Amino acid sequence: AQKITQTQPGMFVQEKEAVTLDCTYDTSDQSYGLFWYKQPSSGEMIFLIYQGSYDEQNATEGRYSLNFQKARKSANLVISASQLGDSAMYFCAMREGLRGGADGLTFGKGTHLIIQP
Amino acid sequence: ETGVTQTPRHLVMGMTNKKSLKCEQHLGHNAMYWYKQSAKKPLELMFVYNFKEQTENNSVPSRFSPECPNSSHLFLHLHTLQPEDSALYLCASSQRMGDGNEKLFFGSGTQLSVL
Repeated sequence: AQKITQTQPGMFVQEKEAVTLDCTYDTSDQSYGLFWYKQPSSGEMIFLIYQGSYDEQNATEGRYSLNFQKARKSANLVISASQLGDSAMYFCAMREGLRGGADGLTFGKGTHLIIQP
Repeated sequence: ETGVTQTPRHLVMGMTNKKSLKCEQHLGHNAMYWYKQSAKKPLELMFVYNFKEQTENNSVPSRFSPECPNSSHLFLHLHTLQPEDSALYLCASSQRMGDGNEKLFFGSGTQLSVL
């Protein structure tokens, strides 16, 4: 079974609209972390936002927010007021347990987001 | 200058060649990683080095050989590769804190093509 599921292979969105990228996860650990990364065509993976399983508030970083619904095991990324530069691949990832590092860091297959003018 | 630098950006090699990928991090981190990114597949963790010691090897074929001479440099030595090894190879680093919150910082990757 996949541990991270991103059901949207690709999305087209009009500039300035809000975007929601879906991510569901599967773990039996009580402690885990959820991450979103952006990968533009240059190839570099850019960290966007983090949510800990015990965090009661949804994480926010500028235009990015994470809609964390623990009971549903979902961690959707919301981008407000999309910009042309937001066009990229977006990956959801999970770290299970509190071991730290890349141990147990599992990535989804990604969503290709294209912002249209 | 980015925090994690990978060279070369592109590499084409034959199946009998030997080549090496290089990664250097300028962030003072104590852990480094190699990931493989193939088309339409999730990123695959290959190797983890923590304080220069290899702590994880996810059943990677022996034709991939990592080397971590110090906490700032990481190499991936390649020999007798197969065409299915063609992929983007990403290096990352992080600062181990043990709380599960550490972020990975990635390089831009080496796009490898095996002919």
